[in-house]
Amino acid sequence: EAGVTQSPTHLIKTRGQQATLRCSPISGHTSVYWYQQALGLGLQFLLWYDEGEERNRGNFPPRFSGRQFPNYSSELNVNALELEDSALYLCASSPPDREYYEQYFGPGTRLTVT
Amino acid sequence: QKEVEQNSGPLSVPEGAIASLNCTYSDRGSQSFFWYRQYSGKSPELIMFIYSNGDKEDGRFTAQLNKASQYVSLLIRDSQPSDSATYLCAVNIAASKLTFGTGTRLQVTL
Repeated sequence: EAGVTQSPTHLIKTRGQQATLRCSPISGHTSVYWYQQALGLGLQFLLWYDEGEERNRGNFPPRFSGRQFPNYSSELNVNALELEDSALYLCASSPPDREYYEQYFGPGTRLTVT
Repeated sequence: QKEVEQNSGPLSVPEGAIASLNCTYSDRGSQSFFWYRQYSGKSPELIMFIYSNGDKEDGRFTAQLNKASQYVSLLIRDSQPSDSATYLCAVNIAASKLTFGTGTRLQVTL
């Protein structure tokens, strides 16, 4: 069974630009979560999408946004990039049964803002 | 008080010993609890999850949950150098959202 996939692996942008990160969940999973992990820091919850809807949002400014497509893949957009947005962005998916809410992570996209 | 607390470590144990990793959480309504392993520069990997009081064993790993004390732990028996990583505790506090601790760095020495 294929795991969660993310693209690109690395992304280098300059301050003020926009970044788009993509995620494909495990087959059969309907929920997608996005996290930010800055160097040396913990995982910070960004967004949760389920069945195409945004269900929950972390404490991040509106320039962090995303969407989920009918095939359950997801896209994270970061507008007006700032230097402190440099981090590993992780996508996770979970199955639809919602009994335990276990999440499985993709390999991440490392975003560098210069 | 942080929602999920872990000692940052590093926790150093000799090869073959038992490593004990601990985590406390603040919300008594928490339903499920997860342990992830994260190697440097890699993404977290789910090791185990537990939702009932008591112990749950999977190979060399045992998760222990005590809801009355709001405490969850992970024991790693026969620790190997390949177990050296950061271990993240995660708690399902609100429906579907996991809150992660900052992780405990484990070093298994030869």
